[in-house]
Amino acid sequence: KNQVEQSPQSLIILEGKNCTLQCNYTVSPFSNLRWYKQDTGRGPVSLTIMTFSENTKSNGRYTATLDADTKQSSLHITASQLSDSASYICVVSDRGSTLGRLYFGRGTQLTVWP
Amino acid sequence: EADIYQTPRYLVIGTGKKITLECSQTMGHDKMYWYQQDPGMELHLIHYSYGVNSTEKGDLSSESTVSRIRTEHFPLTLESARPSHTSQYLCASESGQGDEQYFGPGTRLTVT
Repeated sequence: KNQVEQSPQSLIILEGKNCTLQCNYTVSPFSNLRWYKQDTGRGPVSLTIMTFSENTKSNGRYTATLDADTKQSSLHITASQLSDSASYICVVSDRGSTLGRLYFGRGTQLTVWP
Repeated sequence: EADIYQTPRYLVIGTGKKITLECSQTMGHDKMYWYQQDPGMELHLIHYSYGVNSTEKGDLSSESTVSRIRTEHFPLTLESARPSHTSQYLCASESGQGDEQYFGPGTRLTVT
């Protein structure tokens, strides 16, 4: 069964600290893995997209890693800011054709305290 | 900033009413999607379209219907709202296979 599991479910950190969010998936065949940030009451916004051949990608203070062999990904946030408080969603695509689809994790709820 | 819009943002409505949630995008994307998301839960695909006059049901069974008469417009309709329809509805569009999906701000629907 194709699944995307994220951990931890929630996380509280102090402003300025770093943190790492985890994503494990069983989706096959794999096409790409995406990390989205979703602010409360808003739609998700894409942070990174990685294909099979990419093992790291950065977007400002966000760095995503991918190990396609172990089917694991992580999102590292450096020097956290209050505005980083949001849900971070891992999404895996199995698209090898137009019939492919996206599998969503439940997200990690990150709270950054001053 | 993605050019994809949803209205209304919030809607409180009584049981049995007919409602239409609007979604439009100005990016010329062929692919559009509707997702349903409950608090703290993952997004579930309820409808998608790969172009004009193309609509398909998603993975999550839904009593809603959609139409795609114009590329930029993908409205979702509930003929008779029920409390079980209370949820957040997110619309998204995508230019091509494997590309980024752009999400609208969502409509939070409450059926009393």
